Amino acid sequence: DAGVIQSPRHEVTEMGQEVTLRCKPISGHDYLFWYRQTMMRGLELLIYFNNNVPIDDSGMPEDRFSAKMPNASFSTLKIQPSEPRDSAVYFCASSHNSGGAGNEQFFGPGTRLTVL
Amino acid sequence: DAKTTQPTSMDCAEGRAANLPCNHSTISGNEYVYWYRQIHSQGPQYIIHGLKNNETNEMASLIITEDRKSSTLILPHATLRDTAVYYCIVRVKGGFQKLVFGTGTRLLVSP
Repeated sequence: DAGVIQSPRHEVTEMGQEVTLRCKPISGHDYLFWYRQTMMRGLELLIYFNNNVPIDDSGMPEDRFSAKMPNASFSTLKIQPSEPRDSAVYFCASSHNSGGAGNEQFFGPGTRLTVL
Repeated sequence: DAKTTQPTSMDCAEGRAANLPCNHSTISGNEYVYWYRQIHSQGPQYIIHGLKNNETNEMASLIITEDRKSSTLILPHATLRDTAVYYCIVRVKGGFQKLVFGTGTRLLVSP
């Protein structure tokens, strides 16, 4: 298994531009998570999906951020318009609900976003 | 979810056991203890989890005190590749599967 795949690995853009981050979860996993990591705030959960349906988006910082999961094998996190304070590493993770506590999350390698 | 307290940093000599403590004095009866680690520039990696019994896998051992108010992650023979930030997280069984990462313990393994 290739694990969680994220693209691009690095993104440099200018303030005001639209940014789209992509994630392919592990096949068969029914949960997908988007996290953001910065030095100041650490690792934060932004939103997560179960069976392609958004369950909790309380971590999404503001309306400039949106996430979709059109099917079980693909999700996007979009920032429009982007701002310098959005610069961070964005991780996608997936897990399978085994029905118990053994629902470890598998993280992708992350996308390092720099907004100039 | 219960709050956890971990030391900010620890050092360990290569080949020795690394014992990483975690306090979770407000843990509830249905909350599990999870450990993840994050090696520099990588995504977090699951290590182990437990409820009240000690657990062991190929990566580490987890020792949970009888009152469940604290636990210790043990890396029996630390290597340089174990240098990472280690996160102790407590969360309910099943539920919404949120993981709340604190600041963790930065473990430095030296030759």
